[in-house]
Amino acid sequence: AQSVTQPDIHITVSEGASLELRCNYSYGATPYLFWYVQSPGQGLQLLLKYFSGDTLVQGIKGFEAEFKRSQSSFNLRKPSVHWSDAAEYFCVLNTNAGKSTFGDGTTLTVKP
Amino acid sequence: EAGVAQSPRYKIIEKRQSVAFWCNPISGHATLYWYQQILGQGPKLLIQFQNNGVVDDSQLPKDRFSAERLKGVDSTLKIQPAKLEDSAVYLCASSLGATNEKLFFGSGTQLSVL
Repeated sequence: AQSVTQPDIHITVSEGASLELRCNYSYGATPYLFWYVQSPGQGLQLLLKYFSGDTLVQGIKGFEAEFKRSQSSFNLRKPSVHWSDAAEYFCVLNTNAGKSTFGDGTTLTVKP
Repeated sequence: EAGVAQSPRYKIIEKRQSVAFWCNPISGHATLYWYQQILGQGPKLLIQFQNNGVVDDSQLPKDRFSAERLKGVDSTLKIQPAKLEDSAVYLCASSLGATNEKLFFGSGTQLSVL
């Protein structure tokens, strides 16, 4: 069975600082990977996805993620965080059949 | 473009009562999902519909939960009878239909069972 682990429950960064949110997965085949963001009072929104090809994928709002097969990781990064990035972030793995597994999320706090 | 609509936004009930949630997906989206998100956890898929047929309901507690999607558009999720552990946010999502496409989520229904 597949699983997704987000090791950091809560991360605090200063505005303008860089950000990296970790995601590790377990799956016996090539996964489809996603990052979603859940802002207060809003629905989950897709940031980016990886299906195949270039292992560095670009998303909305200046986010990017890198797929590393050898490390079973798909970490999310942003070079300079804005106060509006404060939210909860979910890493998601889909199987070939489209069955999705969410991580338990990382809550991002941005300090002024 | 209208998003995924869900109602009610909040619901408080006592244990053993019944409750129903409604979802209207984005027009033209063939696939509809119901997720349960317990506080501090990621969303867990309860049921997935493709048009009005069930694709996956392996994690739906069928002794108390039921869902339907009549005419392949709107959907309702029902809990009867509710238990304390059903307290959660119930999220509806939709996608155009192909496997592993982007999901569009509604704002959810927050259920409190007392």
